[in-house]
Amino acid sequence: DQQVKQNSPSLSVQEGRISILNCDYTNSMFDYFLWYKKYPAEGPTFLISISSIKDKNEDGRFTVFLNKSAKHLSLHIVPSQPGDSAVYFCAALGTNAGKSTFGDGTTLTVKP
Amino acid sequence: DTGVSQDPRHKITKRGQNVTFRCDPISEHNRLYWYRQTLGQGPEFLTYFQNEAQLEKSRLLSDRFSAERPKGSFSTLEIQRTEQGDSAMYLCASSPAHRETNYGYTFGSGTRLTVV
Repeated sequence: DQQVKQNSPSLSVQEGRISILNCDYTNSMFDYFLWYKKYPAEGPTFLISISSIKDKNEDGRFTVFLNKSAKHLSLHIVPSQPGDSAVYFCAALGTNAGKSTFGDGTTLTVKP
Repeated sequence: DTGVSQDPRHKITKRGQNVTFRCDPISEHNRLYWYRQTLGQGPEFLTYFQNEAQLEKSRLLSDRFSAERPKGSFSTLEIQRTEQGDSAMYLCASSPAHRETNYGYTFGSGTRLTVV
């Protein structure tokens, strides 16, 4: 049973446009949600997080939206840049934190 | 501090052999995590430590896997009697306790294991 799902394996957008990456979860006990970015041959790098008591968190070009009733979150990147091309992972943690549960990732390609 | 270091970067071993990986976390991080990632999938939790105490271990982890963090600093992950299904990228990460919810983990670059 996969508790965190990223249903789109890949996404391609034009430079300067918006990228929207989606993530769904099934476990109501998750309280924190994070996005990581991964380049080839490197480990994932933390991007942005959101607590379940919020519905939006913004950091520069990156905004995460949380719809708790739908158990859905999304990452918006505006404007998209070629350097944003990477695999993006959604992750979730419970209140006691520690262990994270990851989705399978979405490969974003930003075309110049 | 150079971040989270993992050694070796690559390991090729024959089926049935034992392998050991090392992880050096960021020095002020008291939590250390091991994850495994196969192609096309996200990182899968294996185990984590707070200081030298192993706080949680995945039920998916067979008895062939063992991890230690003897002095609360570096950690080792050992796989005994390796199988072809153990071929994967093994990722180590660290964080200060209770900050992983807002600031995430810092990952190393991983150790890629190939069992032939």
